[in-house]
Amino acid sequence: QSVIRQSPSTSGTPGQRVTISCSGSRSNVGSNYVYWYQQLPGTAPKLLISRNDQRPSGVSDRFSGSKSGTSASLAISGLRSEDEADYLCAAWDDNLSGPVFGGGTRLTVV
Amino acid sequence: QVQLVESGGGLVKPGGSLRLSCAASGFPFSDYYMNWVRQPPGKGLEWISYVSSGSGFTNYANSVKGRFTISRDNAKNSLFLQMNSLTVEDTAVYFCARASWKQPEFDSWGQGTLVSVSS
Repeated sequence: QSVIRQSPSTSGTPGQRVTISCSGSRSNVGSNYVYWYQQLPGTAPKLLISRNDQRPSGVSDRFSGSKSGTSASLAISGLRSEDEADYLCAAWDDNLSGPVFGGGTRLTVV
Repeated sequence: QVQLVESGGGLVKPGGSLRLSCAASGFPFSDYYMNWVRQPPGKGLEWISYVSSGSGFTNYANSVKGRFTISRDNAKNSLFLQMNSLTVEDTAVYFCARASWKQPEFDSWGQGTLVSVSS
């Protein structure tokens, strides 16, 4: 059981805007940067959002991140079929003295 | 371009040992923290260890502390993970991942190597 909670699944239709959230505590999300990863089936994760809301070079501006208190969100606008993937958040945890991942949210584009 | 290639995975019996390697190229390896992250079949990601750029600092998840040892050879652009006392719970795909600091800002990943622990 991860210390950062994510809903196991969500879905959306093409063109829609969806939001994926991760809920942590003061020791992780509440006091450290949040990072978001996209993992397409059978592939390695890809860094999607860095330091709460920064997009690495090459990442589409359809992806955006935000953080408030002990929760963080990833928004995907203009949903496309190729966005169907697992999305995981991560943060440093001060109590564990190491990085922790959320359990991940599987996005289905219907 | 940045490339990370893991090797050394395979089938091992409970209680056994395995050594994973990660060959890096396309970037100044010695400037980066290097990490191991694993993913059990059908499950999420778990960070398990990092080593600082100069090998001065290592850190481990509680789940592997005392059993796994991370190391690096900056002259050979290589990262290693020595895994001892393996249990079935260690069955996973093991990824090496690069970061600029100790935060989970993993900007490059290898393709992963599968470790299966079974009798």
